[in-house]
Amino acid sequence: GIQVEQSPPDLILQEGANSTLRCNFSDSVNNLQWFHQNPWGQLINLFYIPSGTKQNGRLSATTVATERYSLLYISSSQTTDSGVYFCAVPGGGNKLTFGTGTQLKVEL
Amino acid sequence: NAGVTQTPKFQVLKTGQSMTLQCAQDMNHEYMSWYRQDPGMGLRLIHYSVGAGITDQGEVPNGYNVSRSTTEDFPLRLLSAAPSQTSVYFCASLNPPNTEAFFGQGTRLTVV
Repeated sequence: GIQVEQSPPDLILQEGANSTLRCNFSDSVNNLQWFHQNPWGQLINLFYIPSGTKQNGRLSATTVATERYSLLYISSSQTTDSGVYFCAVPGGGNKLTFGTGTQLKVEL
Repeated sequence: NAGVTQTPKFQVLKTGQSMTLQCAQDMNHEYMSWYRQDPGMGLRLIHYSVGAGITDQGEVPNGYNVSRSTTEDFPLRLLSAAPSQTSVYFCASLNPPNTEAFFGQGTRLTVV
């Protein structure tokens, strides 16, 4: 099956800093999602992005499907950005395969 | 819209007990699925359903049963709980061909 790798596995930022999270996938996909799992465990949809770039406030995502990667940019990070960021891609039968996530901690 | 609703949020079971985790969605999505999340890992697919009356196994189905009698509901049953089933369980739905998935808030299950 498709493999999904995320980097870095852990990241500590000072509030106000910018960061880039990466998601690599092993096969062609027709879509990709980014999620934020907050400290309470909720999975929040960030982006649904097959290709190109989308922006939502301080967050933006770019997927380059032909090169099999996606990037999540966080600008001017805030403590509320802390949590785990997952990317996921659909495999056969609409089954999602998740990466192992990037654990982000934003400190004051 | 409530989206995807899971109950309960927390549950403690003794080894060998049975229980059902409930999942309901109000978006008229055809596809529903159950995942489990273990520490340091992403989510792994347990079972999924492409429509009412149709279910299939995912990556880690052992110890779990599902049924799909209506479009809205997709319960997950643990027939005889084991400590290895201690995990956080998520239900999700989507509506093909749009593959954007929406998740419930999760159920944290501890088996002692």
